Amino acid sequence: GEDVEQSLFLSVREGDSSVINCTYTDSSSTYLYWYKQEPGAGLQLLTYIFSNMDMKQDQRLTVLLNKKDKHLSLRIADTQTGDSAIYFCAEWISGTYKYIFGTGTRLKVLA
Amino acid sequence: GAVVSQHPSWVICKSGTSVKIECRSLDFQATTMFWYRQFPKQSLMLMATSNEGSKATYEQGVEKDKFLINHASLTLSTLTVTSAHPEDSSFYICSAIERTSGNYFQETQYFGPGTRLLVL
Repeated sequence: GEDVEQSLFLSVREGDSSVINCTYTDSSSTYLYWYKQEPGAGLQLLTYIFSNMDMKQDQRLTVLLNKKDKHLSLRIADTQTGDSAIYFCAEWISGTYKYIFGTGTRLKVLA
Repeated sequence: GAVVSQHPSWVICKSGTSVKIECRSLDFQATTMFWYRQFPKQSLMLMATSNEGSKATYEQGVEKDKFLINHASLTLSTLTVTSAHPEDSSFYICSAIERTSGNYFQETQYFGPGTRLLVL
């Protein structure tokens, strides 16, 4: 079945790098996404990666995809207090128009 | 990026009343919109897929008579919570799919800011 898993919590110091991990089970996913959710707010698309890519960099964000292991990660360089939020990974299953979300990782940045 | 709005952002209602939530894509047309429900400190649960001009597709366990979805135009989908009860209190988030074509076909999902519903 379709399942996307993430670790629940991550705590880092301001200025350090954060790495949020995600594993998925459906190998037919075409796109994989990272979303950010701040308290009481909707979801903000951070970045995405096409399934035939290994890496994508966008300013402070680096997405790594290991398709063999079905592992996706989001690295945030120079993490700031404003990065404190819940981060969701999601996969889009080709042909189903269905997005499967992970459980979310709560990132806390310590000053 | 594309913008999706929801209205209202907050609603408090009495038990037994119906509440309508609107989801609009502001600068693109969306033939497909999704409705999600999020409980505190939990992930998003897909409720239904709303397709313009046709009936919504509901996920297993979601009562279609309870959560009425209408997608009457390419920029608007509505979710009506009928005869709301306290257990319907939740954060409802919609999303809209923007489809673009370039070197390859791409779909991007944009989320609305969410509607917090509290049923007393």
